[in-house]
Amino acid sequence: AQKITQTQPGMFVQEKEAVTLDCTYDTSDQSYGLFWYKQPSSGEMIFLIYQGSYDEQNATEGRYSLNFQKARKSANLVISASQLGDSAMYFCAPERDDKIIFGKGTRLHILP
Amino acid sequence: ETGVTQSPTHLIKTRGQQVTLRCSSQSGHNTVSWYQQALGQGPQFIFQYYREEENGRGNFPPRFSGLQFPNYSSELNVNALELDDSALYLCASSFDRGSGNTIYFGEGSWLTVV
Repeated sequence: AQKITQTQPGMFVQEKEAVTLDCTYDTSDQSYGLFWYKQPSSGEMIFLIYQGSYDEQNATEGRYSLNFQKARKSANLVISASQLGDSAMYFCAPERDDKIIFGKGTRLHILP
Repeated sequence: ETGVTQSPTHLIKTRGQQVTLRCSSQSGHNTVSWYQQALGQGPQFIFQYYREEENGRGNFPPRFSGLQFPNYSSELNVNALELDDSALYLCASSFDRGSGNTIYFGEGSWLTVV
């Protein structure tokens, strides 16, 4: 069974600063992908970024980038220049065959 | 806007009743997965449908059942509702369930069981 660890249940960050959200996972699968999703209080799960297990380059999407270290089974999300609208729950989520395993998430608060 | 729509958005049911939740997947997507998210938790995988067949199931009892229709829309049915079934139910769609595809979620259905 896969296990996802997000060690930061809550974080407070000043607006415009960069923030790193930690994620480690335990999977025996060699072929998997890894998502990060954002979930505001409305409940919708918003896709942020995806890393394939065989991708050699770290994924980037606008202000979001992944620090992916496959050997350490670590996939930290970096948000540059944080904005007030970034306040939300963030989930690290490995997947295989489009079946996603979610961790408990990190609640990010951006302070003005 | 993900193109995945769910209905109803909110509903209240009584313990022991049955409920049907609906999901319309993004155009061209043939894979639909359902998740249950209890308050303060991450979503838990219920089951997945691929081209109208169940393709994997999480640790949920048989009273959780589903359907996928020829147009790839889907239903989640829950019988004999229990208080612990109160949760946000999320539907996700993707194309061909292969790793590397972007998976899009709907806005969810909030179910309260009283």
